[in-house]
Amino acid sequence: GAGVSQTPSNKVTEKGKYVELRCDPISGHTALYWYRQSLGQGPEFLIYFQGTGAADDSGLPNDRFFAVRPEGSVSTLKIQRTERGDSAVYLCASSHFPGATGNTIYFGEGSWLTVV
Amino acid sequence: GNSVTQMEGPVTLSEEAFLTINCTYTATGYPSLFWYVQYPGEGLQLLLKATKADDKGSNKGFEATYRKETTSFHLEKGSVQVSDSAVYFCALSGKGGSEKLVFGKGTKLTVNP
Repeated sequence: GAGVSQTPSNKVTEKGKYVELRCDPISGHTALYWYRQSLGQGPEFLIYFQGTGAADDSGLPNDRFFAVRPEGSVSTLKIQRTERGDSAVYLCASSHFPGATGNTIYFGEGSWLTVV
Repeated sequence: GNSVTQMEGPVTLSEEAFLTINCTYTATGYPSLFWYVQYPGEGLQLLLKATKADDKGSNKGFEATYRKETTSFHLEKGSVQVSDSAVYFCALSGKGGSEKLVFGKGTKLTVNP
């Protein structure tokens, strides 16, 4: 597609529920990233995929968070047993040349998650 | 670990004023440096970048110079416009590997006519 597409744009869920957030990266981009942005903060890295595999998941806060990218394109971020502290904007990004110096990463508009 | 410290906001300026948003970083080795901008209701967009010491990134009248000696990457614009109102994020990425970005907290700029 023309840009990184994320759905849903907004999600309100009850504490303890399961949530899935979807990301469709720019066509042809092999690298895909998930970030989380809390109010008044900069985005924080969660996980990076190169193709189908998670090459770096050091930013996932705990085992309630999981992400997949089974065919090397679309990715889903899954959050189990949601907590109010999970409320944030979840940003997906993709890039074409991971590992290249100064590689440009392109961001989607984000999925705003509110846990009540 | 790598980190970015950005000037606290918010910043309010009149149109045609000079803008500086300070950014300093801590990193091992020689990171690449970026400024991203988030306009109201839109996603993060790359504004400019620099990949080595003394490089100057520029775009849309904005400039930033990679200063290794002061570990800084300050954003400047000589004459701001109302349309520049946005949140600005300084970021860095390490060499190789995932090149994940480490962001500052962001600086909100409001330009009044």
